[in-house]
Amino acid sequence: KQEVTQIPAALSVPEGENLVLNCSFTDSAIYNLQWFRQDPGKGLTSLLLIQSSQREQTSGRLNASLDKSSGRSTLYIAASQPGDSATYLCAPAPTGGSYIPTFGRGTSLIVHP
Amino acid sequence: DTGVSQDPRHKITKRGQNVTFRCDPISEHNRLYWYRQTLGQGPEFLTYFQNEAQLEKSRLLSDRFSAERPKGSFSTLEIQRTEQGDSAMYLCASSSYMQTSGVITGELFFGEGSRLTVL
Repeated sequence: KQEVTQIPAALSVPEGENLVLNCSFTDSAIYNLQWFRQDPGKGLTSLLLIQSSQREQTSGRLNASLDKSSGRSTLYIAASQPGDSATYLCAPAPTGGSYIPTFGRGTSLIVHP
Repeated sequence: DTGVSQDPRHKITKRGQNVTFRCDPISEHNRLYWYRQTLGQGPEFLTYFQNEAQLEKSRLLSDRFSAERPKGSFSTLEIQRTEQGDSAMYLCASSSYMQTSGVITGELFFGEGSRLTVL
């Protein structure tokens, strides 16, 4: 069974800092990995999807990397803003069966002005 | 396209009552997933459909839960005889799933969720 761990569980930083959020997963046989953000009481918003053959994916100030062999992905947020405050979740989709992304508990981020 | 829609957004019910949630996926998306999320936890998989076929159900989905996707369009999730432990956010996601030369494309898009409170 795929286990997903996200570190840190919570993060509070001043505006402008560059951030690194970590995601590790136990089963490295994955099709791809998706990063989401979730605002309180809301659904999930897709940020990036990295295919297993890719090492990086970029969207604006966000950059996600994937090291499938070591079971790790990193979400880098450049020049953080208060609007980035949310919970960030990663979800690898394992091979060897149905395509069902598995989620970690997320990293709760607060960016204060 | 307006994205994935879920209804109702909030539902408060008494223990023992039945509730039904509806999900309208992004049009032409062939896959539809249901997840459940409790406070401080990540979403947990419940079940998914490819077109109208329900292909997998989690062991979390007890006999009191049933899901349908008639005609491969919208889906409903019904909970019978609700219990306080059913209180959670029920999330629906859809994707356009394709497998080409061993590469899977299936980015998930979520709705805003339906929050259930069982008193």
